[in-house]
Amino acid sequence: QVQLQESGPGLVKPSDTLSLTCTVSGYSISSDYRWGWIRQPPGKGLEWIGSMDDTGSIYYNPSLKSRVTMSADTSKNQFSLRLNSVTAADTATYFCARVRGFCGGGRCYWYYFDSWGQGTLVTVSS
Amino acid sequence: QSALTQPPSASGSPGQSVTISCTGTTNDIGGYSYVSWYQQHPGKAPKLIIYEVNKRPSGVPDRFSGSKSGITASLTVSGLQSEDEADYYCNSYGGINTLVFGGGTKLTVL
Repeated sequence: QVQLQESGPGLVKPSDTLSLTCTVSGYSISSDYRWGWIRQPPGKGLEWIGSMDDTGSIYYNPSLKSRVTMSADTSKNQFSLRLNSVTAADTATYFCARVRGFCGGGRCYWYYFDSWGQGTLVTVSS
Repeated sequence: QSALTQPPSASGSPGQSVTISCTGTTNDIGGYSYVSWYQQHPGKAPKLIIYEVNKRPSGVPDRFSGSKSGITASLTVSGLQSEDEADYYCNSYGGINTLVFGGGTKLTVL
């Protein structure tokens, strides 16, 4: 069965870049699933950050698009998130997840997240 | 892209049924049948309990059911049990390659 594990610094300074990696085991990220990131500020709801398909196309939440970069390293079966110019508002638990969806013709229809990592708390503070 | 609207709280006694609503727009819930629901216990990752409006993943009890009418999706939990006390989030395809979540509903089993 697929397992996902987030890793990265738990503390980031304001204006710096937040970098996280999701290591996937039990399933190849090059296969027909898609992968994504979701975050949850303390005591608040879930927010979709972005998702990537198996062709390398990546789609971001419009509200974060100017600051977010996602990438994948298929040789390590990992995918990553970078969020630059962070502020206290970016303090959250960050989850990586496997996402079901259909992509074609330059468009993706995202269906649901069927497997999640345990999440990692990232605090933005000086 | 705005968050889907859920009631902040819901409650019921053991054995009762509770329904949680999730309201969107014609650009998300009303336009597609890609609504999913997640259960989240404190300190844990969300768990998929309903996908594509009314389908249950393997292992999810049939006490959980989903439906959709127009721009509103609903999750019904029948035969409430103490372990059902958790936060519940709806999610929908938001159009133009995006996803949108609801604000979450805290379900209390009285």
